[in-house]
Amino acid sequence: EDQVTQSPEALRLQEGESSSLNCSYTVSGLRGLFWYRQDPGKGPEFLFTLYSAGEEKEKERLKATLTKKESFLHITAPKPEDSATYLCAVQAPRNTDKLIFGTGTRLQVFP
Amino acid sequence: EPEVTQTPSHQVTQMGQEVILRCVPISNHLYFYWYRQILGQKVEFLVSFYNNEISEKSEIFDDQFSVERPDGSNFTLKIRSTKLEDSAMYFCASSATGGAFFGQGTRLTVV
Repeated sequence: EDQVTQSPEALRLQEGESSSLNCSYTVSGLRGLFWYRQDPGKGPEFLFTLYSAGEEKEKERLKATLTKKESFLHITAPKPEDSATYLCAVQAPRNTDKLIFGTGTRLQVFP
Repeated sequence: EPEVTQTPSHQVTQMGQEVILRCVPISNHLYFYWYRQILGQKVEFLVSFYNNEISEKSEIFDDQFSVERPDGSNFTLKIRSTKLEDSAMYFCASSATGGAFFGQGTRLTVV
């Protein structure tokens, strides 16, 4: 069964304290891995798509990387406005477009 | 920037009543989805829709649920005879290729 596991469940950082969030997956052939940001009571906001091992994507203070078994979301010098839940989702290669989500990492950045 | 629009933002309904959740996907997207998120849980896939028909549905999407694209811009989710356990955030999403873009959700409360 396809599964996505995110760690840690929650992360508290001081402003400027860099860290990484982990997303490990078991999928029979990965078609795409997606990172989203979700603010409380809001819909997931698309951040990145990664397709193959070794691929990296960057946006402001965020960088996403992908290996054959996991993805990392690196946050460099975070600010309080980066506080949110970060969701990872995978898409399998069978005749499906559905996304399988992890439970997310709740990030809090304190000034 | 194009976005997925959902209405209403919050719907309260009595158990057993029918509700219709509405979505306007991004205009040049061809794939449409409904997901739901029960409070504190993962985002779960319900159904995907392409070329005016359901392309995939989850086990959750039983005879109680139906989707429709009544015109060129709207995409609806109907829930017949709502149950208490249907209370959740319902997200519409659309995609061209790659990542799906989500709306802000409809919070459905069944009382």
